[in-house]
Amino acid sequence: ILNVEQSPQSLHVQEGDSTNFTCSFPSSNFYALHWYRWETAKSPEALFVMTLNGDEKKKGRISATLNTKEGYSYLYIKGSQPEDSATYLCASLQGGSARQLTFGSGTQLTVLP
Amino acid sequence: NAGVTQTPKFQVLKTGQSMTLQCAQDMNHEYMSWYRQDPGMGLRLIHYSVGAGITDQGEVPNGYNVSRSTTEDFPLRLLSAAPSQTSVYFCASSPSGRTEQYFGPGTRLTVT
Repeated sequence: ILNVEQSPQSLHVQEGDSTNFTCSFPSSNFYALHWYRWETAKSPEALFVMTLNGDEKKKGRISATLNTKEGYSYLYIKGSQPEDSATYLCASLQGGSARQLTFGSGTQLTVLP
Repeated sequence: NAGVTQTPKFQVLKTGQSMTLQCAQDMNHEYMSWYRQDPGMGLRLIHYSVGAGITDQGEVPNGYNVSRSTTEDFPLRLLSAAPSQTSVYFCASSPSGRTEQYFGPGTRLTVT
């Protein structure tokens, strides 16, 4: 069982603030790193899938970076809005068969108006 | 496309009962998986399948069976329900395990 850890567990920010979260994963046998956004009472939705060391991806005000050598990924949200309030999950795909996705427990973001 | 569908949305079982959670996708995805979500524990993989006729265990497979007779369907069977199986169950599919997953709406199961 892989150890995928996310920090912080929860975060409250004011509208307009920028924020970031961390996902750490084992660097050995790495294949891909996923980020998902999960709103209350809905299903997780994919934000990014990254595979290469140094990858950076962006979708609107949200971006992510990947460091596979040291085993971490950052998710950034610029100018947070109340609609960004959600739980952000990362998941790591590792191993020779690269078939099992292991999720972290998530960072719960609340953006206060 | 309906995407990933799950039935039922809610279910209450008594300890010892069996039932099947249904999952179907219409995107011709090869990879399908079942997760359970418990407070403070994120999503944990129960079973997954890389194609019709092929299934494998995830992190928490005990008490659950799966089969994949078609590309579209991936049912999850609870053999003898226990209170520890009270959870929200999500089915997901993707073109492969290496690409983003599409999640169904979830099934909230309570075992009394």
